[in-house]
Amino acid sequence: GENVEQHPSTLSVQEGDSAVIKCTYSDSASNYFPWYKQELGKRPQLIIDIRSNVGEKKDQRIAVTLNKTAKHFSLHITETQPEDSAVYFCAASIGGTYKYIFGTGTRLKVLA
Amino acid sequence: DADVTQTPRNRITKTGKRIMLECSQTKGHDRMYWYRQDPGLGLRLIYYSFDVKDINKGEISDGYSVSRQAQAKFSLSLESAIPNQTALYFCATSDLRRGRTSTGELFFGEGSRLTVL
Repeated sequence: GENVEQHPSTLSVQEGDSAVIKCTYSDSASNYFPWYKQELGKRPQLIIDIRSNVGEKKDQRIAVTLNKTAKHFSLHITETQPEDSAVYFCAASIGGTYKYIFGTGTRLKVLA
Repeated sequence: DADVTQTPRNRITKTGKRIMLECSQTKGHDRMYWYRQDPGLGLRLIYYSFDVKDINKGEISDGYSVSRQAQAKFSLSLESAIPNQTALYFCATSDLRRGRTSTGELFFGEGSRLTVL
C-alpha cells in the first residue's frame, strides 16, 4: 500500500540555524504534498504545501522542495526561532484524491 | 470564527464499552475525516466522507464505525472499546469547491483523547 517515510524523528538545532526534514513517498500518482505543524497540546495546522507541477515553494522562512523522480520532498526552515519548536508532519495525497497518508512526524527542538 | 468542534475532549472508559466521538463543523465544508494519532505513528486515517451519502474506509477502520448525520456532523463509534484504541483522535474537514480547484488543506478539530482501561 501507499507509504510515506519521514526522517529524522527528532531534530535539535541552535536558534538561528537551519532545519531540514525529509520525506519519501511510494505512490507515483501522488500530486499534493502538505506539511503540518503541531505545537504541544494543539491541533495540526497547515504551514506550506506543494503540488506536483512545482519543484519548490517558499513562504518567508519556510520552503518545500519536491523531487518527483526520486519521490521525495523536504521542508526547510531557515533562521529557526524557539517558536518553531513543534512536531512537523509531511503528507502525500493518495493518487489525485483528497485522501492523505501522513509521515510519522519529526519533533523539532530549537535551542536558545 | 468558523471551526471544527469535537466532543468529548477527554474520555476514560473500560474495555468492552461503546464510545461515540462527535464532530461538528461550521466551516461549510463537504469533506470530513477521522484520524487517529499515536506517538511515533503519526496520523492515520480511520474513515472519511466526501458527502452526506458517501462513507469510505481509511487505513485502519477495523473496530470503528462512522455516521454522517448531516453535512456538518460526522461521528466516530467504537462498538466495543479495547485498550489498543487508546489514542488521540482528530476530526478534520476540507473544502470541496465544485468547479474550482480545492486547496486540499485539512482543518483539524482540537482532538479527543480516549483512554481505554
